[in-house]
Amino acid sequence: EAQVTQNPRYLITVTGKKLTVTCSQNMNHEYMSWYRQDPGLGLRQIYYSMNVEVTDKGDVPEGYKVSRKEKRNFPLILESPSPNQTSLYFCASSSQGWGTEAFFGQGTRLTVV
Amino acid sequence: AQSVSQHNHHVILSEAASLELGCNYSYGGTVNLFWYVQYPGQHLQLLLKYFSGDPLVKGIKGFEAEFIKSKFSFNLRKPSVQWSDTAEYFCAVTEAGGTSYGKLTFGQGTILTVHP
Repeated sequence: EAQVTQNPRYLITVTGKKLTVTCSQNMNHEYMSWYRQDPGLGLRQIYYSMNVEVTDKGDVPEGYKVSRKEKRNFPLILESPSPNQTSLYFCASSSQGWGTEAFFGQGTRLTVV
Repeated sequence: AQSVSQHNHHVILSEAASLELGCNYSYGGTVNLFWYVQYPGQHLQLLLKYFSGDPLVKGIKGFEAEFIKSKFSFNLRKPSVQWSDTAEYFCAVTEAGGTSYGKLTFGQGTILTVHP
């Protein structure tokens, strides 16, 4: 089954404790991206990747890092989480850029206390 | 920079009522347009998309949208809503051509609540 898998689905952590949210897709897509969803603000892009070792900042990259060492994986790293990063995070992938359909993961609800 | 504006934050309807959700975008070039739906507790799913050709596009579950280039709009419509249409709806835009380098921009979302 074609899918984008994120882990964990739910996470509560403390300020400053490094964490990683994993994202994996099994569709051999070149494009992958991370979004955060906040009430009234819709989805805002954090980082995106056009292929292995090619990443770029989205609209709200501050406080986040990503890496793309393999085509299927695109982890999101919070080196020192803060409460304003409490949000719902989605990973997405697409085969030929964002002009085609984006497939989304189930989401990760992160709470930073 | 491209941007998307959805004017209605929360729409409440009764079953069988007609629906129209507004979406306006700002971008100087040729665009691809999308509507995504997010059912409660679930991830986003594609409802419909416009790339080129007929400006009236039909999607899943009886939804359709009309691209009006002169108005920079891509409004979503459904003639008769059902309780199962309760969800949040997102309009999104990207540069046309398939080489948009990852820039898919979403609107703020519209929550639709349908009462039985």
